[in-house]
Formats: sequence, structure tokens, C-alpha cells
Amino acid sequence: ETGVTQSPTHLIKTRGQQVTLRCSSQSGHNTVSWYQQALGQGPQFIFQYYREEENGRGNFPPRFSGLQFPNYSSELNVNALELDDSALYLCASSLPGGTGELFFGEGSRLTVL
Amino acid sequence: QKEVEQDPGPLSVPEGAIVSLNCTYSNSAFQYFMWYRQYSRKGPELLMYTYSSGNKEDGRFTAQVDKSSKYISLFIRDSQPSDSATYLCAMSAGNNDMRFGAGTRLTVKP
Repeated sequence: ETGVTQSPTHLIKTRGQQVTLRCSSQSGHNTVSWYQQALGQGPQFIFQYYREEENGRGNFPPRFSGLQFPNYSSELNVNALELDDSALYLCASSLPGGTGELFFGEGSRLTVL
Repeated sequence: QKEVEQDPGPLSVPEGAIVSLNCTYSNSAFQYFMWYRQYSRKGPELLMYTYSSGNKEDGRFTAQVDKSSKYISLFIRDSQPSDSATYLCAMSAGNNDMRFGAGTRLTVKP
């Protein structure tokens, strides 16, 4: 069984730039969620994708956007990066139903200078 | 007031101690309660999953949920140095928006 994989693991960007983070879901999981985890904080829900459509969104501005592909992999795009976007971005896959058993990847650590 | 409150610690205990970790919450719609363990620079790993009120035991770990008090706990018996990590409580109303606590950093000293 293949787990959730994310890339890149680390990246540094400057304010105003754009970034794309990628995620491959666990085998058999068709739902992907993205979370932002600031240092010393718990993960915060950004959005979820199911069947290639956004299926719920947290309190994040529109410059945070995503995609899900037919193979259930997903991308998170962030435009016009701000210093406060520096965080660990976590992708989690799950089966549909929203009961909460999420399987996380190792995360992509983004630093915005 | 945050929707999910968790004492960030840090908590330091000797090997073999019983560890008690807790969270309180304010949203009575939460029905699904989870504990995740997160090692440094890693993604969270699901430890325990409980639906509604009650207890659940898995090896050295016991999860308790008291919905009337809006209080959940995780107990670790015979703690080991390998248990040193950040423990995150999480809960969901059955929709896709899971709410996490800030995490409690635990160190188990040999």
C-alpha cells in the first residue's frame, strides 16, 4: 500500500511569488485535503477535493487554489505569497464520508522571504 | 475562545510514567474525535479514532470522550522515549473540516 507523498519537501520563495505543491494520495483514497500548519500550531483546513471538485473550504483567501486529477493526485497553488504563508503544508488523503480518518504526507515546508 | 483548546506543554515525564493529554472543545456538533502523533519534521500519524462518547483502548493507549463535558483525553501507559512527540487532538462534525488543537509536546526521559 503506497502512502501519501508530497513534493517538494522544502522550498524558499520571495514575497509576491507563486508556488505549486503536489500530492499523491494513498492507494484507494479518492479524497484529498490540504492543511496549513504554522510553527507551534495545529493544522488548519484549507480545502478538500473529491472527484476533481472542491468539496469544502476553510477560512483561506482565493489566492489559495487547488486541483485534483483523475488519478486522485492533487496540487495546491498559492499566488501572491505573503510572509505569513510560511508554514508546513500538509496533504491528507481519506475515503469519502468526512469521518476524519486522515492519512497525512510528510508535508512541504515553505519559507517566504 | 478557540474552538479546540489544548495545552501546548511542553510536558516532560520519566520513562514508564502514565501520561494524560487533554483537549476541550466548544462545538457540540463534533462527533468524531481523533488523536494524532507528530514527530519532528514529519506529518501527523493517526493514533486513535473514536466516534461519540466512550472509551477506546489500543495497546498502551486509551482514548476517552466525554461529550457532556466537551472534553477528550488520551492516556499513555508505560511511556517510552519513542513516545516523545507532539500529540494533536482533532475533531470533526462529519463534514470535511477537521479542527485540530495546537498540540502538546511530550518528552519521555530514559
